[in-house]
Amino acid sequence: QKEVEQNSGPLSVPEGAIASLNCTYSDRVSQSFFWYRQYSGKSPELIMSIYSNGDKEDGRFTAQLNKASQYVSLLIRDSQPSDSATYLCAVNFGGGGADGLTFGKGTHLIIQP
Amino acid sequence: DTEVTQTPKHLVMGMTNKKSLKCEQHMGHRAMYWYKQKAKKPPELMFVYSYEKLSINESVPSRFSPECPNSSLLNLHLHALQPEDSALYLCASSPEDRGGTQYFGPGTRLLVL
Repeated sequence: QKEVEQNSGPLSVPEGAIASLNCTYSDRVSQSFFWYRQYSGKSPELIMSIYSNGDKEDGRFTAQLNKASQYVSLLIRDSQPSDSATYLCAVNFGGGGADGLTFGKGTHLIIQP
Repeated sequence: DTEVTQTPKHLVMGMTNKKSLKCEQHMGHRAMYWYKQKAKKPPELMFVYSYEKLSINESVPSRFSPECPNSSLLNLHLHALQPEDSALYLCASSPEDRGGTQYFGPGTRLLVL
């Protein structure tokens, strides 16, 4: 069974602090991992993709991947109220051809001004 | 440009109606996807098209019928839907057919009466 697990929250973080979002997945051979942000009533917006072990940084966002532990995380530095949203972790479990994404339930992040 | 467009934005239909959702991208992406998202749930994969051929059907009821007329266009034909089919229907496209990043359109919010 292909599963993606996230803590649904809400996760409350003061403005300017670091928000840390975590995700685990069930299949060790998975190759592609994504973080999407979704505001209420809107569609998912890609924040980061990561394919290799280690860290990947893009502005205030850092994705971390540890395939041995089947763990992927997202750090948001200098959190802003506009970062308040649901963050979806997504995994492409497929090994060939076009494959869909399996999403975690999402973590609801609240940045407190 | 990573724009995926979807029409209509909102749709209300009765259980005996036939309607269609449309998705378009002009990024040269060769994989296109339909997802369904119920309120406060993550997106769930319905169909995958790769190079205009249906490659994945996630056991979706036959009242949902996908169609890919060309590499830029994806339709979802709806017939005899049930009230529980009310949801946000999301289209996505990907530049690669092996775990590539998926970009989502704004979605069609469907209400079945």
